[in-house]
Amino acid sequence: QVQLQQWGAGLLKPSETLSLTCAVNGGSLSGFFWVWFRQPPGKGLEWIAEINDSGTTTNYNPSLKGRLTISVDTSKNQLSLSLTSVTAADTAVYYCVRGKLRIVYDGYERLFDPWGQGILVTVSP
Amino acid sequence: AIQMTQSPSSLSASVGDRVTITCRASQDIKNNLGWYQQKSGKAPNLLIYAASSLQSGVPSRFSGSGSGTDFTLTISSLQPEDFATYYCLQDYNYPRTFGQGTKVEIK
Repeated sequence: QVQLQQWGAGLLKPSETLSLTCAVNGGSLSGFFWVWFRQPPGKGLEWIAEINDSGTTTNYNPSLKGRLTISVDTSKNQLSLSLTSVTAADTAVYYCVRGKLRIVYDGYERLFDPWGQGILVTVSP
Repeated sequence: AIQMTQSPSSLSASVGDRVTITCRASQDIKNNLGWYQQKSGKAPNLLIYAASSLQSGVPSRFSGSGSGTDFTLTISSLQPEDFATYYCLQDYNYPRTFGQGTKVEIK
């Protein structure tokens, strides 16, 4: 059973850089794509970024592009997220998620499962 | 970006009730939609993918339907453990976008 374990600094000051890591335990990065989502306290979910298993293809939310970097370390079986110049608007629970793509006769199926436990990152002066 | 309009934003229901939640996409997304359940303080959990496929381990009282722009999540007989917030997510294109969520509360 694959489990995603996340860690990183939980309290940042404005203008600092958010850095999170997600370890894939009981499974491999290979054969999947990897995703970060976030959820501000009391609000809905937001997709942040995706990366393939080799790290060669990335997609970022345009609302955050320019500040984001997503990467994978296949030697460590880990996924990372970096968000620069944080503000209070970046305060949220951040989730790493495994994505599975299936090609079917009439298109694609994507499964976003499992999710990491989430880590609350608070940006405060 | 594709806008996902989810309704209702909240509902009150009793154990045993049939519950329906809808999501409407601002453009055709084929069947590229998933439904997620989130309990308070926990990570979301995948219920339905590709609009109507039940994720392994999810009770059969959950079902999804729809394609194109209109989608539905149905809980055939609400159980105590189903009180939670539900989200739809389109994975047709980037950026992926969620509905605003539906909070299912006890009546």
